[in-house]
Amino acid sequence: AQSVTQLDSHVSVSEGTPVLLRCNYSSSYSPSLFWYVQHPNKGLQLLLKYTSAATLVKGINGFEAEFKKSETSFHLTKPSAHMSDAAEYFCVVSDQDNDMRFGAGTRLTVKP
Amino acid sequence: DSGVTQTPKHLITATGQRVTLRCSPRSGDLSVYWYQQSLDQGLQFLIQYYNGEERAKGNILERFSAQQFPDLHSELNLSSLELGDSALYFCASSVAPLWAGITGELFFGEGSRLTVL
Repeated sequence: AQSVTQLDSHVSVSEGTPVLLRCNYSSSYSPSLFWYVQHPNKGLQLLLKYTSAATLVKGINGFEAEFKKSETSFHLTKPSAHMSDAAEYFCVVSDQDNDMRFGAGTRLTVKP
Repeated sequence: DSGVTQTPKHLITATGQRVTLRCSPRSGDLSVYWYQQSLDQGLQFLIQYYNGEERAKGNILERFSAQQFPDLHSELNLSSLELGDSALYFCASSVAPLWAGITGELFFGEGSRLTVL
């Protein structure tokens, strides 16, 4: 069975500093991986996706993620955090049946 | 705006009661998913429908049931409510389950916040 682990439940950064949200996955197959973002009192929105093309994936709002098969990781990064990036971020893996498994989420706080 | 509409946005009720949450998927989407989000459990997948048929079941309690109607809207029924059922309930839609798994394109509504007192 597919699974995904988000290594940090909460990450706090200062505005203008880099963001790193960590995600490890478990999969017996070549997975599809996604990051979703949830702003306060809003639904989840697709941020970016990896579907076996380029290993470095660019998403919206300056975020990107790199698929590393050897490390079974799909960490989300952004060079410079903005106050509007404060939200909950979910790493998602899609298995061979194309069922999607959500991670527990990482809450990102951005300090001024 | 994702195109997915959920009603009601907020609902307050008492223990033992029954409520119905409604979801209208994006135009053209055949698959509907229900999720429960609470502080202690995180985001939990409940159930999925595709073109009126149940396709997958997650951590859905027996007190809960759902269905998808011919016009593709879906309802989640929660009965014999307990304090622990207080949560944000999300509906999401996709063109088809296979498509969602490949593209990750699940479109979420803004949720129905249920408070059980």
